[in-house]
Amino acid sequence: DIVMTQSPSSLAVSAGETVTINCKSSQSLLSSGNQKNYLAWYQQKPGQSPKLLIYLASTRESGVPDRFIGSGSGTDFTLTISSVQAEDLADYYCQQHYSYPLTFGSGTKLEIK
Amino acid sequence: EVQLVESGGGLVQPGRSLKLSCLASGFTFSNYGMNWIRQAPGKGLEWVASISSSSSYIYYADTVKGRFTISRDNAKNTLYLQMTSLRSEDTALYYCARGITRWDYWGQGVMVTVSS
Repeated sequence: DIVMTQSPSSLAVSAGETVTINCKSSQSLLSSGNQKNYLAWYQQKPGQSPKLLIYLASTRESGVPDRFIGSGSGTDFTLTISSVQAEDLADYYCQQHYSYPLTFGSGTKLEIK
Repeated sequence: EVQLVESGGGLVQPGRSLKLSCLASGFTFSNYGMNWIRQAPGKGLEWVASISSSSSYIYYADTVKGRFTISRDNAKNTLYLQMTSLRSEDTALYYCARGITRWDYWGQGVMVTVSS
């Protein structure tokens, strides 16, 4: 099974700051066939269902603000949130879609000071 | 508008069974793979099971394999999760989600509580 290690587990920032969340997979998520990384990022606001932010490591889902940026390849991935806003208060999860069983990172709780 | 609406949850005793449903609307259900994901109270997300658009491919998490069965009825636009031999650790909010490598729509979730 692919283990997803996500860090930090929590962080608190002031509005306007930039946030970086890291996700490391125990195996490469890069498909040799199409050179795509099967890594997604989800945002879960309090009391809500998860929402897709980023898929294939760096493709922003339609309607997601461009301050959310996904990057990385192979086993190391990053979600960057630039100019954090109060509405970004949420839990963030990475997930690999490369192979079954599908696995999530343990999550990062983002708090706004 | 794409909608996924789960139902069938509730309080159930350990060892008993329960069947969840996810009614889809606003898209061609038969074109999409579907998934069940759960979240125990205060915990993170855990993938449970996936099924391809034609039910040709089905996958389960080890934690539910042999006890849960995912299925779908494309004529009824409905995804199912039959859960048997329920355990206290199956207590969670169960979500259905659309897609294979991109879970772009999620339901609001249905709560399953396993307790005597």
